[in-house]
This record gives sequence, C-alpha cells and structure tokens, in this order.
Amino acid sequence: ILNVEQSPQSLHVQEGDSTNFTCSFPSSNFYALHWYRWETAKSPEALFVMTLNGDEKKKGRISATLNTKEGYSYLYIKGSQPEDSATYLCALDQGGSEKLVFGKGMKLTVNP
Amino acid sequence: DVKVTQSSRYLVKRTGEKVFLECVQDMDHENMFWYRQDPGLGLRLIYFSYDVKMKEKGDIPEGYSVSREKKERFSLILESASTNQTSMYLCASSLQPLTQYFGPGTRLLVL
Repeated sequence: ILNVEQSPQSLHVQEGDSTNFTCSFPSSNFYALHWYRWETAKSPEALFVMTLNGDEKKKGRISATLNTKEGYSYLYIKGSQPEDSATYLCALDQGGSEKLVFGKGMKLTVNP
Repeated sequence: DVKVTQSSRYLVKRTGEKVFLECVQDMDHENMFWYRQDPGLGLRLIYFSYDVKMKEKGDIPEGYSVSREKKERFSLILESASTNQTSMYLCASSLQPLTQYFGPGTRLLVL
C-alpha cells in the first residue's frame, strides 16, 4: 500500500506566526508532488506542482520545497493570516497513471 | 477558469435508495474522478475515467458504479445507499499534467 504521510495533522497558530509542515512519500517511482489548499465550504485549489529534486516554489507568503531522494516536501507559510486557515493536502503522482495518492491533510487554524 | 460543478451541495437519502451524484466540467478534460472524504482518512479514490465510456476502479469502488456517456459529465451511482456511505463526495477533472480541478463537493447523509 502506497502511503503519503502528512504531519502534523492539525495546527493552531496565532496571526503572524510562521508555520511549516511536512509531506512524506516513497521516493521510488516519483513523478510529481502536488499541494492543494482546501478552505471550508470551497473546492480544493491547486497550490503547486513540483517535479524536480531541489525545486522550490513560491506563491505570496506560501512556499514549498521538494526532496525526491529522501521523499519529503515542506510547505511553509510566512506570517500566517486568518485567511490561511484551511486544510492543506499533498498528493503523489508516480507517473504512468492518471491517479494521485493523497495524504490525509493538515488542518491549519490561524487565530486573529 | 476551469469550472467543475456538482449537482447538489447537500443530499439526504434513505437506506436502500438509488442515489445519483452528477459532475460536469467545462474544460474538455479527458480525466474525471470521484473521491470521498471522511474525517481522519483523507481523500480516497472511488472511480475514475480517462475517456468517454471508459472507467477504472479506484481504491474503494465497492457499493458504487459510474457512468460517463459524455466527455463533460461523470456520474457516481450508489445502487443501494447504506449508512456507511454517508460522506463528502468530491468530483475532479484533469488534463495532462495531472493538476486536478475539484468541484465544491456533495455532502451526503444516508439515514
């Protein structure tokens, strides 16, 4: 069974704190790693698609890094704001299939 | 912008009923997916389709079937709804590469 693990499962922070969470995956047969943000009552929204070892992507205050050799990706939010409150999902694409394997998600709550 | 719509946001059905969940995408995507999301379990793939009339089982297909008669529409069918099918159902579509675009979800309660 292919496991994509996310940690922590939930996080409560104060506005202005920076947060860092991890997605771990089997490093064999890696093709791409996806990050999504899912706000309550909305559709999950794609944040990043990462393919190359050492990749770093940034979108405003959110950035992500990728290490395919050791099988992990970090998602980092600088200066969290209440509107960052959401569930963050990572998903592994091993190539050769249309399917993605999702982690269980990490629920972030940012208190004003 | 890609738009994926689902026929209902909330649905209440009785055990044994046949339930249809409809999903429509407007971007001519080949691939479409049905997931369910349950607390502590993440998104689990039920079925997916990579072309009209083509379907493949995902990780948890038992108790479900699907239909894809037109490229833009992918239906999930619960032949005889049971209480353990109470869940949030999400539809998604994608082109290559595989960024998936999701609908808003249908929260189904089976009584």
